[in-house]
Amino acid sequence: ETGVTQSPTHLIKTRGQQVTLRCSSQSGHNTVSWYQQALGQGPQFIFQYYREEENGRGNFPPRFSGLQFPNYSSELNVNALELDDSALYLCASSGGRGTGELFFGEGSRLTVL
Amino acid sequence: DQQVKQNSPSLSVQEGRISILNCDYTNSMFDYFLWYKKYPAEGPTFLISISSIKDKNEDGRFTVFLNKSAKHLSLHIVPSQPGDSAVYFCAASAGTGGFKTIFGAGTRLFVKA
Repeated sequence: ETGVTQSPTHLIKTRGQQVTLRCSSQSGHNTVSWYQQALGQGPQFIFQYYREEENGRGNFPPRFSGLQFPNYSSELNVNALELDDSALYLCASSGGRGTGELFFGEGSRLTVL
Repeated sequence: DQQVKQNSPSLSVQEGRISILNCDYTNSMFDYFLWYKKYPAEGPTFLISISSIKDKNEDGRFTVFLNKSAKHLSLHIVPSQPGDSAVYFCAASAGTGGFKTIFGAGTRLFVKA
């Protein structure tokens, strides 16, 4: 069973640029959620995709967007990067079980200068 | 608006003793409550969960207690081991498949040998 993988693991961008982060979900999982974890805080829910459709969104502006592909992998796109976007971005997949258990990747560390 | 709160940023416990981590929530619509454990440079990993219709769930050394009237849950680790040293996140979700899971800020547990 392949776990959740994310790429890239680290990246540095400058303010105003755009970034795309990628995630491969765990085998058999059809739901992907994205989280932003700033230093010293818990993961903040960005949005969730289920079968290629956005299935819920947290309190993030529209410049945060995403996609889910037929193989259930996913992308997170952030436009017009701001300094406060510097954070660890976590992808989590789930298989629709009632317990709500999420399986996380190791994250992509984004630094905006 | 913090729906899930962990008011203790850190906790230090002697090896072999009990560790008690606390969490409060505000949203009565949450169906499941979960605890995740996070080591540095890794994504959070699921530890234990409890349904809102139960008041206790036990898995080996880990027990989660839910007090719905107080909107409070706690994680007990007995006996604590040095390998338990990590950041513990309390989380809650409404609906199946981990829908819009909301995380607390985390509690860093130190278990001293």
